Amino acid sequence: DAKTTQPNSMESNEEEPVHLPCNHSTISGTDYIHWYRQLPSQGPEYVIHGLTSNVNNRMASLAIAEDRKSSTLILHRATLRDAAVYYCILRDPFGNTGKLIFGQGTTLQVKP
Amino acid sequence: NAGVTQTPKFQVLKTGQSMTLQCAQDMNHEYMSWYRQDPGMGLRLIHYSVGAGITDQGEVPNGYNVSRSTTEDFPLRLLSAAPSQTSVYFCASSYESHTEAFFGQGTRLTVV
Repeated sequence: DAKTTQPNSMESNEEEPVHLPCNHSTISGTDYIHWYRQLPSQGPEYVIHGLTSNVNNRMASLAIAEDRKSSTLILHRATLRDAAVYYCILRDPFGNTGKLIFGQGTTLQVKP
Repeated sequence: NAGVTQTPKFQVLKTGQSMTLQCAQDMNHEYMSWYRQDPGMGLRLIHYSVGAGITDQGEVPNGYNVSRSTTEDFPLRLLSAAPSQTSVYFCASSYESHTEAFFGQGTRLTVV
């Protein structure tokens, strides 16, 4: 399974944009890049995913490098509710297992 | 549409007792998996299933059994509980191996 590397922690001010980086230098050509977040005392929740092109949804944007060896999750205006652990995970459609391999993730602190 | 439902939410066991953690999903997902999360750590994969009748071991399978007799249910059995199994357990499901994963709210298990 290809591995991802994220900073342990980041800080942001409320209502400012946040850019959460992820390195995945051993990504295969078919791996999808997924982001999940885990709020305190809750189960992980899906944020966004993409393959090659940048993606936007109501929660966030995902910017994928041209060589796909890194990606960035963008929260356009951080709120206090966005304080969570963010996980970057690669998912392989041809591995046919459905399993998710979690790293330590990035703990995002949002200051009022 | 309830998503992924885990029961119970909390459980205290004595060392040596056995129990089953329940996980059910109503989204007709083929892929299901179990994870444990120890304090301050990321999630680790215990067992996973790619469809009814098919299961396989993850990263930390010792002390746990699973079966998948229906698409909807994926119970996790602790054979003889040990204090090292004190953790929060999460169940997840997805339609395909690379699509959005849905998580339950977790079962907080304490073994004394």
